[in-house]
Amino acid sequence: EVQLVESGGGLVQPGGSLRLSCAASGFTFSSSWMHWVRQVPGKGLLWVSRINSDGTSISYAASVNGRFTISRDNAKNTMYLQMNSLRVEDTAVYFCARGGGVTSPLNYWGQGTLVTVSS
Amino acid sequence: DIQMTQSPSSLSASVGDRVIITCRASQNINSYVNWYQQKPGKAPKLLLYISSSLQSGVPSRFSGSGSGTDFTLTISSLQPEDFASYFCQQSHSIPFTFGGGTRVEIK
Repeated sequence: EVQLVESGGGLVQPGGSLRLSCAASGFTFSSSWMHWVRQVPGKGLLWVSRINSDGTSISYAASVNGRFTISRDNAKNTMYLQMNSLRVEDTAVYFCARGGGVTSPLNYWGQGTLVTVSS
Repeated sequence: DIQMTQSPSSLSASVGDRVIITCRASQNINSYVNWYQQKPGKAPKLLLYISSSLQSGVPSRFSGSGSGTDFTLTISSLQPEDFASYFCQQSHSIPFTFGGGTRVEIK
């Protein structure tokens, strides 16, 4: 069974940092492209970042580029999102999701972890 | 960025109704549209990919069509478990973008 479990969310002050983790099981993580998507509760979905299977191809949404860093450790079946210089508008539930290749859909999602940026 | 305009934003329907949700892309995206269902407090679930391909395990009452810029999600006979929010998403190019969502409520 495919499982994606996010952790690391919480309350942080504006300008602070947080690192999210996404632990994967039930599939060949090292062959999978992975994504982060966020959602303000009750609102729409916003794609945040993507990393290919070996970490050599990475993309970000403009709103987080230069502040967030996606990475992965295939030996630990885990993906990360390092979030720096956090802003109030980064407050959201952050989901990790598994994709396929370049144009593939997000076929499995984790349950999400809530990040709250507030003073 | 490619804009995905989804309509309606909400609708009320009864069990057994046929429901159609539309999504329009701001430029040609071939068939790279995916549809997701989300229930409150849960993660999105993939229903359809590449416009019309049904994800494994998804009931056949869900179908999709379209190419280029105009796409539709159809639920042929709405069931109680289908009351949820639905989102389209383009995977043609980065950044991936989502429609604003359609909330399907019980009439």
